[in-house]
Amino acid sequence: EVQLVESGGGLVQPGGSLRLSCAASGFTLSDQYMDWVRQAPGQGLEWVGRTRDKAHSYTTDYAASVKGRFTFSRDDSSNSLYLQMNSLKTEDTAVYYCGSRKSATAGISYWGQGTLVTVSS
Amino acid sequence: DIVMTQSPDSLAVSLGERTTIDCKSSQSVLKNSNNKNYLAWYQQKPGQPPKLLIYWASTRESGVPDRFSGSGSGTDFTLTISSLQAEDVAVYYCQQYYSPPQTFGQGTKVEIK
Repeated sequence: EVQLVESGGGLVQPGGSLRLSCAASGFTLSDQYMDWVRQAPGQGLEWVGRTRDKAHSYTTDYAASVKGRFTFSRDDSSNSLYLQMNSLKTEDTAVYYCGSRKSATAGISYWGQGTLVTVSS
Repeated sequence: DIVMTQSPDSLAVSLGERTTIDCKSSQSVLKNSNNKNYLAWYQQKPGQPPKLLIYWASTRESGVPDRFSGSGSGTDFTLTISSLQAEDVAVYYCQQYYSPPQTFGQGTKVEIK
């Protein structure tokens, strides 16, 4: 059974940093495209970015709103994905979801339960 | 960036009635190399992550009831619920994954009348 579990959320001050983790089980992370999607309180879904699979050299795409501040990384030995968030702004407050696809050309089939990041002084 | 616009923003439907949600993209999401539309539909219930319903605009994800169907091509798409059930109360989102950033529509809230 595929399972994704996010962790690492919490309260951080503006300008601060936080690293989120996404632990994957039931599949081999290196074989998967992985996405991050966020949802501000009471708002819609916003795609944060993705990292491609090992066959595509783990290349990444980022939304303009986070480019230069957020970085994706992986640890295939522990089957985990990470989202390093720097220079956080109040507008980054959201629930952050990691997700995976059955194939690169399909929708996001598997989602974690999300982890809440609150940026506030 | 490709802008995704859904309509309506919300609707109230009687149980058993047909429901349609439209999604329009600011540019085509049809990939000519494989003739597939890179368009997905998701359902999100309160306090839950989104759930994939449809991908490639019309392919139902495994386990999704057949009352859910997707149609359309190019820039205009529709999600149809053939007979609304109480458990279908949710917010529905379309998403293009043709090119990054893989933008979502603003969501359509479906309620029971």
